Amino acid sequence: AQSVSQHNHHVILSEAASLELGCNYSYGGTVNLFWYVQYPGQHLQLLLKYFSGDPLVKGIKGFEAEFIKSKFSFNLRKPSVQWSDTAEYFCAVKANFGNEKLTFGTGTRLTIIP
Amino acid sequence: KAGVTQTPRYLIKTRGQQVTLSCSPISGHRSVSWYQQTPGQGLQFLFEYFSETQRNKGNFPGRFSGRQFSNSRSEMNVSTLELGDSALYLCASSASPGETQYFGPGTRLLVL
Repeated sequence: AQSVSQHNHHVILSEAASLELGCNYSYGGTVNLFWYVQYPGQHLQLLLKYFSGDPLVKGIKGFEAEFIKSKFSFNLRKPSVQWSDTAEYFCAVKANFGNEKLTFGTGTRLTIIP
Repeated sequence: KAGVTQTPRYLIKTRGQQVTLSCSPISGHRSVSWYQQTPGQGLQFLFEYFSETQRNKGNFPGRFSGRQFSNSRSEMNVSTLELGDSALYLCASSASPGETQYFGPGTRLLVL
């Protein structure tokens, strides 16, 4: 069965700092990868996704993620964070064949200090 | 396009009661998935429906059930509620299984 690990449970950064949130998955086959964001009081929104092709994917609000197959990783990055990026970030993986479900990591709470 | 809608948004029940939650997917989406979100367990998959058929089921007891109607709207039911069922229940829709899922605002259930 597939699983997802997000090692950073809570990250605190100052505005303009660079961000990298880790995501590792365990699954031997081909996967689709996602990052979702949940702003305070709002519902889960898709930030970006990787299905195939260029392993560096760009999402909304200046976020990007890089799929490194050899490391089973899909880390989320942003060069300069803003206070409005304060939210919870979830990495998710789904095998792209069969009946596998979308599996989420436990989430990383990001707090940006103005 | 309107997003995923869930009703009700908030619900308070007592132990032993049952509850039905409703989800209307994005227009044209035929796949609906349900998740339970709690602070301790994160997002846990409940089940997925496509074309009125359950395609996949998570590791939840039989008290949790669901169904999908011909218009792709879905309901989930929890019978004999327990305190531990207090959670945010999220519905997500996608055009078809395997496609990107888009989430609704959730129904927050409190069991007293």
